[in-house]
Formats: sequence, C-alpha cells, structure tokens
Amino acid sequence: KAGVTQTPRYLIKTRGQQVTLSCSPISGHRSVSWYQQTPGQGLQFLFEYFSETQRNKGNFPGRFSGRQFSNSRSEMNVSTLELGDSALYLCASSLAQGLNTGELFFGEGSRLTVL
Amino acid sequence: GENVEQHPSTLSVQEGDSAVIKCTYSDSASNYFPWYKQELGKRPQLIIDIRSNVGEKKDQRIAVTLNKTAKHFSLHITETQPEDSAVYFCAAGGTGGFKTIFGAGTRLFVKA
Repeated sequence: KAGVTQTPRYLIKTRGQQVTLSCSPISGHRSVSWYQQTPGQGLQFLFEYFSETQRNKGNFPGRFSGRQFSNSRSEMNVSTLELGDSALYLCASSLAQGLNTGELFFGEGSRLTVL
Repeated sequence: GENVEQHPSTLSVQEGDSAVIKCTYSDSASNYFPWYKQELGKRPQLIIDIRSNVGEKKDQRIAVTLNKTAKHFSLHITETQPEDSAVYFCAAGGTGGFKTIFGAGTRLFVKA
C-alpha cells in the first residue's frame, strides 16, 4: 500500500508570494491533517479535513488555508509569504474511525524556504 | 487553548540505561495519547499509544504510563540502544476534537 505522498518536496519562494502544497493520503484514509514543523517548536497543528470538510483548525493566521477533494487528496495554501513561514510542512492521513483522528501516518513533508 | 508540554528537550544517556520523557496536557477532554519517533531527515512514526481508560501499556522495551488526574503521561525506554537516538514527540487527542496536539519534542542521544 502506498504511503502518504507530498509534493513538492522542496521549494523556495520570496516574501509576498503564495504557495500551494499537495498531499495524497493512504488509500482508504479520509482524514487529512496538516502540521508545520520548525526547530524547537515541534509540530504545530494547522487544520484537519474529513470528507471535504474542515473539522478543526489551529491558531494560524488566515493566510493559511486548505481544502480537501472528493478523492481525499488535500492541498494547503499560504498567501503573502513571510520569512517566518519557512518550515517543513507535514501532511498526515488517518482512518479516523472513532471520535478522534487516531494514528497519524505522515508524509515526508514539503520543505518551504522563504527568502 | 489546548497545550502539551514536554520535558526534557534534550536527553543524553549511555547505551543500556533507561530514558524517561514526561508530558503534561491541558485539555481534560483528551483521551488519546500517542508517542511518535522521528529519526533525522525522516517522517514521524507512531511507536506506542495509550487511551484514557488504560493506566499503562508496554511493548517490548518501551512503556507508557498515564495519570489522568494529574494530566501527566510518560514514555519509558529501557535498555537503550544507539538506534533509539531520535526526536520523540508526545501528543494528545480529544474526543470529537479531530486534532492531535504535539509537544515540542525531546532529542534523545544514546551514547555507545
């Protein structure tokens, strides 16, 4: 079974630009969560999607947005990039059969550098 | 808001010794407590998890304990080996919250 796939793996942008990251979950997984990972800050929760609906979101500004498609693939977008947005963005999928997400299966991440 | 605090941030042990990582959570609705291991340059992977109706769970050399009253949970690794060197994250998830909140991570060094 293929794992979680994220594209692109690496990208460099300049301040003010926008970026779109893509995540394909494990087949059969309907929940997709996004996290921002920076040194010393751990994994900061961005948002979670299930069946094309955002069920929860973290404390990030409105510049961070996402969506999920009917095939469970998800995208996140960051507009008006700032230097502080440089990070590894991790996507994770799960079966979410219960009332919480359960075990998360992570992709390898998209490393964003903002210059 | 929900918060998970993790200590220590760095831990260095001699091969064969035990390592203990402690976490506290703030949301009393949390009922799922996973631990993830992230090796250098790799993705985080679940190593063990515990639910709120269980006080302790063990899997070979690793064990987790949970004290719901105190909102504390801990990871214990016995007989550490160099391949245990990694960053370990504790996390908490709540019923209906559909999000898993992570601690800041503990970088474990196991010296041979």
